[in-house]
Amino acid sequence: NAGVTQTPKFRVLKTGQSMTLLCAQDMNHEYMYWYRQDPGMGLRLIHYSVGEGTTAKGEVPDGYNVSRLKKQNFLLGLESAAPSQTSVYFCASSYWRTGLSPGGYTFGSGTRLTVV
Amino acid sequence: EDQVTQSPEALRLQEGESSSLNCSYTVSGLRGLFWYRQDPGKGPEFLFTLYSAGEEKEKERLKATLTKKESFLHITAPKPEDSATYLCAVQGGGNKLTFGTGTQLKVEL
Repeated sequence: NAGVTQTPKFRVLKTGQSMTLLCAQDMNHEYMYWYRQDPGMGLRLIHYSVGEGTTAKGEVPDGYNVSRLKKQNFLLGLESAAPSQTSVYFCASSYWRTGLSPGGYTFGSGTRLTVV
Repeated sequence: EDQVTQSPEALRLQEGESSSLNCSYTVSGLRGLFWYRQDPGKGPEFLFTLYSAGEEKEKERLKATLTKKESFLHITAPKPEDSATYLCAVQGGGNKLTFGTGTQLKVEL
């Protein structure tokens, strides 16, 4: 039972380079999310998806794009990396149900990205 | 806009010394308040969900409580393995969580 798997775990990019972070979940969850975590800032939502083929902007979407072509995968892209995007990125998923979600989110183990 | 404030930012306890972590929140239509534990280099791990004022949940040495304005995470007789960052989050009208910045707990022998 893998849960939420993120690849890669670590990456160093040069300013202006592009890359894609992959998130895969095997729990058949409808909702998927990308967060970034910075010291003193907490977890901030970048983009999220409420189902296959749908995406929406979160709190800090600028400089990022996402795609959800398959229900189990959620990709986060950086088209032209900037040093301000140095952060730890977490993917999470949750299931949809009318009313309350009893378990909140299941998180991946994170991708540590450094942009130099 | 939903907001979550956690205090203290850092807490150092001796093994067996009980204490509480605070999570104050403002949210439009609370659907759930969540506590997570995060170990260094790992993703947050779910601990509890609370839905309404007066609700309490327990797991081993941890007990979470909820009022209309705040939640407490009580740690009874902590052990070194309880050292971690504890995150609080609220879910409002949508299905998105708003997180606090966490309390970094260190339990020493």
